[in-house]
Amino acid sequence: EAQVTQNPRYLITVTGKKLTVTCSQNMNHEYMSWYRQDPGLGLRQIYYSMNVEVTDKGDVPEGYKVSRKEKRNFPLILESPSPNQTSLYFCASSFGGREKLFFGSGTQLSVL
Amino acid sequence: SQQGEEDPQALSIQEGENATMNCSYKTSINNLQWYRQNSGRGLVHLILIRSNEREKHSGRLRVTLDTSKKSSSLLITASRAADTASYFCATVLISGGYQKVTFGIGTKLQVIP
Repeated sequence: EAQVTQNPRYLITVTGKKLTVTCSQNMNHEYMSWYRQDPGLGLRQIYYSMNVEVTDKGDVPEGYKVSRKEKRNFPLILESPSPNQTSLYFCASSFGGREKLFFGSGTQLSVL
Repeated sequence: SQQGEEDPQALSIQEGENATMNCSYKTSINNLQWYRQNSGRGLVHLILIRSNEREKHSGRLRVTLDTSKKSSSLLITASRAADTASYFCATVLISGGYQKVTFGIGTKLQVIP
């Protein structure tokens, strides 16, 4: 089944403790991206990747890192999480950035 | 700033009625897409309309695009309770190596049985 898999679904952590949210797609998509969703703000793009080893900043990249070493994986790294990074995070992928996006189920992150 | 801004932010209608949601944006685009989200879950793609298209249909969905006004509308005809969800527009702009997908804040639709 074609899908984008995010893990974990829920994550509670403390300020400053490094964490990684994984994202994997099985559709051989070139384009992958991360979004955060906050009430009243919609989805905001954090980072995107147009292909392996090619990443670029979105609208809200501060405090986040990404890497794209393999085509199928695009992990989101929070080196030192802070409470303002408490949010619902989504990974998405597509054949090309202009095509429809397939979304993961989301990761609800709480930073205490 | 928000590229796509949906209007209204919330809409409540009776089952069987039509629902219209609007999206305005600020820059040029390659295409505009509409997505649906059921409470807190991942977004699901509904329809894509390219910048050189004016109207597109898919089942009970009808999307229009007016690039001169930088606006789009999504019409859901004969709504059902199962259509209750949040709807988002997303604009796509690709220029050279730069690629931007921007979502609006969404319209929350409630369809009352």
